Amino acid sequence: AQSVAQPEDQVNVAEGNPLTVKCTYSVSGNPYLFWYVQYPNRGLQFLLKYITGDNLVKGSYGFEAEFNKSQTSFHLKKPSALVSDSALYFCAVRDWGGANNLFFGTGTRLTVIP
Amino acid sequence: NAGVTQTPKFQVLKTGQSMTLQCAQDMNHNSMYWYRQDPGMGLRLIYYSASEGTTDKGEVPNGYNVSRLNKREFSLRLESAAPSQTSVYFCASSENPGQIRETQYFGPGTRLLVL
Repeated sequence: AQSVAQPEDQVNVAEGNPLTVKCTYSVSGNPYLFWYVQYPNRGLQFLLKYITGDNLVKGSYGFEAEFNKSQTSFHLKKPSALVSDSALYFCAVRDWGGANNLFFGTGTRLTVIP
Repeated sequence: NAGVTQTPKFQVLKTGQSMTLQCAQDMNHNSMYWYRQDPGMGLRLIYYSASEGTTDKGEVPNGYNVSRLNKREFSLRLESAAPSQTSVYFCASSENPGQIRETQYFGPGTRLLVL
């Protein structure tokens, strides 16, 4: 069965500092991994995905994620955090079963401190 | 393009009442999904529709029914609401069924409170 884990409920970072939001995965086949962001009272917005190829995936709003097969991780990163990056971040893995739906982590709340 | 739209944005129900959550997408996507989001649990799939005319159960289907009215619209019905169904409901769509590389696009959500 596919699953992802986000070990941190909350991450605080100062504005201008690099940020990392952690995600580890467990899959029975090739991993197809996604990051979504949710701003207050809004739906989920797609940030980036890893399907195959380069281990460093670039996405929207200056975010990138590093796929590490040996550590089964897919951490979200940004070199310089903005206050506007404060939101709830979800890592997800694609289901290989009939639904092709996404299995989501429990989310990490990122707060960027001015 | 409006993307994925959901109505209503917010609803309060009494236990035992029924209601239908509406979802529509204008991206000509084939697949549509209903998820619920509960604190500390991420999103969980309720039902999905791989293509027009088909629906299937997801991880947590009990207490819900769905209708894929046409290619654009996918509704979620609570026949007899229970407090355990208090949640935020998200509709999503993706272009092709069976394409594991597909990105799902989400609506803004419906916040439901069952008293």
